[in-house]
Amino acid sequence: DIVMTQSPDSRSVSLGERATINCKSSQSVFYSSNNKNYLAWYQQKPGQPPKLLIYWASTRESGVPDRFSGSGSGTDFTLTISSLQAEDVAVYYCQQSYSTPATFGQGTKVEIK
Amino acid sequence: EVQLVESGGDLVQPGGSLRLSCAASGFTFSSFWMSWVRQFPGKGLEWVANIGQDGSEKDYVDSVKGRFTISRDNAKNSLYLQMNSLRAEDTAVYYCARGRWNYVSWGQGTLVTVSS
Repeated sequence: DIVMTQSPDSRSVSLGERATINCKSSQSVFYSSNNKNYLAWYQQKPGQPPKLLIYWASTRESGVPDRFSGSGSGTDFTLTISSLQAEDVAVYYCQQSYSTPATFGQGTKVEIK
Repeated sequence: EVQLVESGGDLVQPGGSLRLSCAASGFTFSSFWMSWVRQFPGKGLEWVANIGQDGSEKDYVDSVKGRFTISRDNAKNSLYLQMNSLRAEDTAVYYCARGRWNYVSWGQGTLVTVSS
C-alpha cells in the first residue's frame, strides 16, 4: 500500500497569513501516460464529512475558493491557503488514488493563531 | 442537490453482523461508482470498498475482504454494505461517497460501534 505522510500534524496561522501543508507519498503517484498526479486534498470541519478541495494535485473542485491551491508532483505535494480565513479552520487530508487501496494521510489540523 | 443519507449503524458485539444502507438522490445514481469510506475514532480515514455502476465490479480493502460485501440497487438508488464477523477495530463512522477514488459527495455518516 502507498503510505501518505503529512506534515506538520498541526499548524497555527494568523488570519490573512499563508498556510502550507505538505504531503509525501511512499511512491510516485504520477501517471506518465496521462501526465496526471493522482493526489487529492480534502477539508473536514468538526461534525462534517470531508469535502473535496483539490484533485489531480492542482485542479480546484468547483466552488472551492481560489485561495486554496495545490502543487507538487511525483511524491511531494503541498496544499496552500494563501490568506487564511476563520472558516478555513479544519483538518486537511491528502489522498492518493494511484493504486488500490486508495490511502489517506493522517491529517493536518489548521488553527488560528 | 446531491444527497447521500446513511443508516443502519449501531452498537454490535464482536462477531456480529450489520447492514448499512445509503439512500442517494439528486443525481443519476446508476451512472456513478460508489464507495464506502470509514473514519476511525482517532480521525484517520480509510477507504473500505467500491462498486461499479452496474454492480459487476467491486473492490475491498484487505482488512475487510471476506467479511464485508458491497452491493447496490439502482432501481432504489441505494447502496449497501453488509458487514459480518465484526471486530473492535471496525468501530468507525461509515460514510457513503460518490466516486471510485475521488469523493466529490459524502453523506453525514453512520456510527458503527463494535464492543461487548
